[in-house]
Amino acid sequence: EIVMTQSPATLSVSPGERATLTCRASQSVGSNLAWYLQKSGQAPRLLIYGASTRATAIPARFSGSGSGTEFTLTISSLQSEDFAVYYCQQYSNWPPTYTFGQGTKLEIK
Amino acid sequence: DVQLVESGGGLVQPGGSLRLSCVASGFTFSSYRMSWVRQAPGKGLEWVANIKQDGSEQFYVGSVKGRFTISRDNARSSLYLQLNSLRAEDTAVYYCARDFPDTSGWYYFDYWGQGTLVTVSS
Repeated sequence: EIVMTQSPATLSVSPGERATLTCRASQSVGSNLAWYLQKSGQAPRLLIYGASTRATAIPARFSGSGSGTEFTLTISSLQSEDFAVYYCQQYSNWPPTYTFGQGTKLEIK
Repeated sequence: DVQLVESGGGLVQPGGSLRLSCVASGFTFSSYRMSWVRQAPGKGLEWVANIKQDGSEQFYVGSVKGRFTISRDNARSSLYLQLNSLRAEDTAVYYCARDFPDTSGWYYFDYWGQGTLVTVSS
């Protein structure tokens, strides 16, 4: 099983500042990496797929990078609605055993 | 608009059974693989099961193999998850999600339902 590890567990950032979240895979997943945002009491929402492609209607302040085992999600200028929990997920193997990171909670500083 | 609406959750005793449903709308249901993903209270996300478009192929996470069964009815645009031999550790919100193929041929989840809560407790 591919293990996904996110860091940090909690990130405190002020509105308007940049946030950088990291996700590491225990083995290469190529570019088969997605990021999701989950607000309290809501379902997850797709942000990024293919490691760097923004999903429909996702603002340009969200960007993803990386390949292989190291990935980054950057939010260039935090808005109030961005404070939530972020999950990375690999989808690189077959039969599918999709695995998620444990999440990074982005909180207001 | 794509919509996924789950139902069927509730309180069940250990060893009991439950059947979850997910009704899809806004897209051609029979053209997409579908998955169930769960989230224990205060915890992260865990993929549970996946089913091919025509229902001929199913995959499961190891912890539910032999206990859970994923199925679908394309005529009703509905996805199901039969949960048997339930344990306390199966307590979670269960989400249905649409699998979308990446250019690589692998799948990520592009739409999620709002989830249904399953509580296993005596």
